[in-house]
Formats: sequence, C-alpha cells, structure tokens
Amino acid sequence: KQEVTQIPAALSVPEGENLVLNCSFTDSAIYNLQWFRQDPGKGLTSLLLIQSSQREQTSGRLNASLDKSSGRSTLYIAASQPGDSATYLCAVHSGTYKYIFGTGTRLKVLA
Amino acid sequence: DAGVIQSPRHEVTEMGQEVTLRCKPISGHDYLFWYRQTMMRGLELLIYFNNNVPIDDSGMPEDRFSAKMPNASFSTLKIQPSEPRDSAVYFCASSPTGFDYGYTFGSGTRLTVV
Repeated sequence: KQEVTQIPAALSVPEGENLVLNCSFTDSAIYNLQWFRQDPGKGLTSLLLIQSSQREQTSGRLNASLDKSSGRSTLYIAASQPGDSATYLCAVHSGTYKYIFGTGTRLKVLA
Repeated sequence: DAGVIQSPRHEVTEMGQEVTLRCKPISGHDYLFWYRQTMMRGLELLIYFNNNVPIDDSGMPEDRFSAKMPNASFSTLKIQPSEPRDSAVYFCASSPTGFDYGYTFGSGTRLTVV
C-alpha cells in the first residue's frame, strides 16, 4: 500500500530564503507525482506534475525533482515571498487511477 | 473553461438531515473523484468514477454516504443521515484519461453538521 509522507509538517522562514520541501513515498512504482498548493479555506491549485520518466519540472521560482529509486521528491522554492505562504501537498499516482496525498507542509514566509 | 465547479461552497445542517453536495467536472474529463479533507486525516479519497461509472468506492466511510454520476457533467455526494463527525471540506476533482495532466480540483464544500 502506497504511503506518502511530507517533512517538515510546518516551516517558517524569512522572506528571500531558498527552501526545500520534501515528499517521500513507499512504493517506487509510480506513474507520476503532482505538487499542489492550498491556501487557507481554499481548494488545491496544481503547481507541477512530474511523470515517472522525468527527473524534474520547473515553473518560475518553483522546481520539483523526482527520484523514484529512493522514493523521494523535493519542491524547491527560490527567493521565497510572503505570498508563497500556504500548505504544499504532494500526491503520488501509482497507476490505480487515484492519487495518494501526503499530509502537507504548512509554509509561512515572514516579511 | 470554468474549471471544476462545486456547490454549495458552505453548508451548515443539523444532525440527522440529508445533505447533497454537487460537482460539475471539466468538460471532456473522463474521471471524477470525491475527496474529504479533515485536520486529523488529511485528504481521503471517498469514491471515483470513470465515464460515469463508479470504479472504487472503498473509501466511502459507511452506508450513510452515497454518490452518483447520472451524466458526464454532473455528480452528487449525498449523506443521509448526517452526523457531526461528517463535518469536513469535501472536494471534487476531475482528470482526463491517461492522467498526463494530473488532477484539477474544485474549490470544495465546507460542511458543518451541528
């Protein structure tokens, strides 16, 4: 059974810092992995989708990497801003047509 | 495209009442998913449909929960009778076949059962 873990559960950093959010999964036979952002009281917004054949994806200040063999993905946020404050969730798709979600990392960027 | 549309945004109901949540997926998406989010358990998949047919309902907590998809553009999640422990945010998501584009989520329905 696929299990997804995100560490840390919460993170507080000063504005301008580069930071890394971690996502671990137990079964390396994945189809793809998706990173989402969730603002308080809002829905989930897709940030990046990495297919199993890819090593990384980039969008603006965000870069997500995937290492299937070690069961890890990281989301790198460059030059963090207060507007980046949100909960970040990773979700793993193992080919059963459903995503398994991690519990999220709650990020606060201080001005 | 307007994205995945859920209604209502908020629902407050009394214990024992029937609650119906609604979802309109993105046109052309073959898969529809219902998730529940709570602080304690995070995001849990309740049920998903492919071409309007329920495929996996193993996440539905009990018989009080039921879901239907009468056509490609509409789905409902019903709770009857509702209980305070059903209070959560319920999300609907849709995806095209193949999952090359991942999920698109609706804004959710925040349900409070008092």
